[in-house]
Amino acid sequence: QVQLQESGPRLVKPSETLSLTCTVSGGSISGFYWSWIRQPPGKGLEWIGFYSGKTSYNPSLQSRVTISVDTSTNQLSLRLRSVTAADTALYYCARQGGGTFSSWGQGTLVTVSS
Amino acid sequence: DIQMTQSPSSLSSSVGDRVTITCHASQDISNYLNWYQQKPGRAPKLLIYDASKLETGVPSRFRGSGSGTDFTLNISSLQPEDIATYYCQQYENLPYTFGQGTKLEIK
Repeated sequence: QVQLQESGPRLVKPSETLSLTCTVSGGSISGFYWSWIRQPPGKGLEWIGFYSGKTSYNPSLQSRVTISVDTSTNQLSLRLRSVTAADTALYYCARQGGGTFSSWGQGTLVTVSS
Repeated sequence: DIQMTQSPSSLSSSVGDRVTITCHASQDISNYLNWYQQKPGRAPKLLIYDASKLETGVPSRFRGSGSGTDFTLNISSLQPEDIATYYCQQYENLPYTFGQGTKLEIK
């Protein structure tokens, strides 16, 4: 069964770049769609974007976000530029089939603060 | 963006009760609707996909129905382990969007 594990800095300063990695184990990262989804503390879920060989991003974040995949390491990456406190959230990676998120990482909390 | 509106936002029911959560889409999404369960401190878990198909391993007391703009998640007999927040999600159009969640508690 595929497992996903997010990693990266837990604290990012305002205006800097948030960078996270999702390591996929138990299966190949190739041939699937992979998404990043975030959840501000105590709030709901927001889809950030997916990678499927090409990328698609939420228009609300499109100008600041880049999602990429490294097949040699079986890792998915997220970069979110020019962060503010509003980007403080639990960040999840997920594997999707069609538009359905079938497998999720445990999530990593990123706080934006000076 | 397609707006997804869930009701109620919170719900308190007794063990054994039948529970109903509704989700309304701002436009026709056919059956491109999923339901997720999120327990405290955990990642969301897929319960229902394509509006009515039960994900493998999910108890049969969970049932999804609906099409077009109105959808329902039913729990036939509430169990203590069902305490969670439930989210609907549409995938008819990008960006994918979620409902605001329904927090289910035990009386």
